[in-house]
Formats: sequence, C-alpha cells, structure tokens
Amino acid sequence: DIQMTQSPSSVSASVGDRVTVTCRASQVINTWLAWYQQKPGEAPNLLIYAASSLQSGVPSRFSGSGSGTDFTLTISSLQPEDFATYYCQQANSFPLTFGGGTKVEIK
Amino acid sequence: EVRVSESGGTLVQPGGSLRLSCAASGFSFGNYAMSWVRQAPGKGLEWVSTIGVGGDTFYADSVKGRLTISRDNSRSTLSLQMNSLSADDTAVYYCVKSYGASSPGSRYFHHWGQGTLVTVSS
Repeated sequence: DIQMTQSPSSVSASVGDRVTVTCRASQVINTWLAWYQQKPGEAPNLLIYAASSLQSGVPSRFSGSGSGTDFTLTISSLQPEDFATYYCQQANSFPLTFGGGTKVEIK
Repeated sequence: EVRVSESGGTLVQPGGSLRLSCAASGFSFGNYAMSWVRQAPGKGLEWVSTIGVGGDTFYADSVKGRLTISRDNSRSTLSLQMNSLSADDTAVYYCVKSYGASSPGSRYFHHWGQGTLVTVSS
C-alpha cells in the first residue's frame, strides 16, 4: 500500500500569509494526487487533482505542485474562509490512501 | 445540480449488520465510478470501497470480506452492505461521486454527500 505523509500536522497562520502544506508518497505516484479541504461539520471539498489542476470554482490563491513522491499545496494569501483541514490523496493505485491531514488554524 | 445523499446510518451492536444507501441525482449515474469514504470521530479520511462503471469492486483491507458495495444504475443508487461490524467501523460514511468513469479520474473524489453516522456499540 502507498503511504501518504503530510506535514505539518497543524500550522498557525494569519490572514494574508502564504501557507504551504507538504505531502510525501511512499512510492512514485507520478502526478496522481488530489487535495481536499474540509471545514468542521462539513464534507470534504475537492480543490486540486492531478497534482496541479485547479478544480472549477476553487479560488486561484490555491495551487498545487509536484510529481513523483513529493507534492505541495500552497495558499498564496490566506483568507478567513481558508481555515480548515487539508488532506492529500493518492490516486495512483488501490487501495486509495489519504494523508493524515493538516489543520490550518488562526494565529 | 449534482446531488448525492446517504441514508441508513444508526446505532448497531458489535457483530451486527447494516445497509447504507446513497441516492444520486443530477448526473448520468451509470457513467461514473462511485465510492464510500469514512471518517471516524475526530480522525482523518479513510477510503472504504469503490465500484466502477462496469461493476468492478475495490475494498480497503480493513473491510474486505465484511463490507460489500453495489450499485443499481436503473435507480441511480449506491449501497454498502456492512456485516460483522465492530467498534472500529464507527464513523461518518460518505457517498462520493468520482471525477470520471476511468482511471485516474475514477479515483478522485469529486462530489460528496453530507454523510451518515454509523455507531457500533453495545
């Protein structure tokens, strides 16, 4: 099984900050990676797929990069509505696996 | 508008069985892979199972042999039969429409329901 490791597990940031979340796969997954945002009490929301493709309707301050085993989600200028937990997920092979999550909190 | 809505979650005793259902609308159901993803209280996301457009099925090791995914394209309905339940199965179960019919799009989780809570406890 492919293990997905996210870091950090939590980050405190202020509105306007640039935030970066990292996800590492235990084996090469090319660019078969997605990022999701989940707010408390809500279902997750797809932000990015294929490592860097922005899902329709998602603000352009979100971006994804990487290939192989190392990936990054960047929020260029954090907004109040961005405080949430973020998950990466590999789509390379079954069983599909998620990272442990990164909670973005208000500083 | 794409909509997926789960039902069937409840309190069940250890060793018991339960069937979850998901009603889908707003898209051509038979043309998309569908999945179940769960989230234990206060924990992260865990993929449970996926069924492809051709009926091919995939399961997490933790549920293999106990949970069975199925689909009824004529009714746009996804189901999850859950047997031999244990406390480790306690979670919110999400029904999810995949991004596409074939991989890798079928392995991205595009539209999520609001989830249904399954609690396994005596």
